[in-house]
Amino acid sequence: KNEVEQSPQNLTAQEGEFITINCSYSVGISALHWLQQHPGGGIVSLFMLSSGKKKHGRLIATINIQEKHSSLHITASHPRDSAVYICAVENRDDKIIFGKGTRLHILP
Amino acid sequence: DTGVSQNPRHKITKRGQNVTFRCDPISEHNRLYWYRQTLGQGPEFLTYFQNEAQLEKSRLLSDRFSAERPKGSFSTLEIQRTEQGDSAMYLCASSSTWTGNTGELFFGEGSRLTVL
Repeated sequence: KNEVEQSPQNLTAQEGEFITINCSYSVGISALHWLQQHPGGGIVSLFMLSSGKKKHGRLIATINIQEKHSSLHITASHPRDSAVYICAVENRDDKIIFGKGTRLHILP
Repeated sequence: DTGVSQNPRHKITKRGQNVTFRCDPISEHNRLYWYRQTLGQGPEFLTYFQNEAQLEKSRLLSDRFSAERPKGSFSTLEIQRTEQGDSAMYLCASSSTWTGNTGELFFGEGSRLTVL
């Protein structure tokens, strides 16, 4: 079993829909990162959080440390949000472990 | 600052040849990570540095792989006697753990290796 599991693996939605991507992990962590990777592009950091909730524009990230679970939400989704979203956790030894990513496709 | 810089961006080589990739992190970032990514997969941890010290190396890394960060600034990743299975995107990321910094990860554009 992977230490970081994301669901769903693939998600196709219509423009305007509310999107939720989930991340569960099995190790103790000091922080969790949400990253975005466009096709053929580099990886961009969206959020780094260790508790609670963060919001940036239409993106919201939450984390529940007790349940070892985090969610990334996108409100009013747009085709330009189409990308791979990656959850990564920073364990107690400062090693960063990545999930396999969720491929999101927003249809116009 | 221009961000994390990696070169070459693309390297095509014949099986058995050695290749070296370079990563220039954001200046004063003390942490530097190397990852490998194949198509459709998330990044796979290879190794990371705190300043010039290599703190961990993945068990997935064979002895053909070596990484250095001699002065705690740029880093190199060398692959000796390349195999076709080494074909992948090699990603570098840096972050800072100094007080007042967020610890946010910054990634380079990656170096794509194709082994023929």
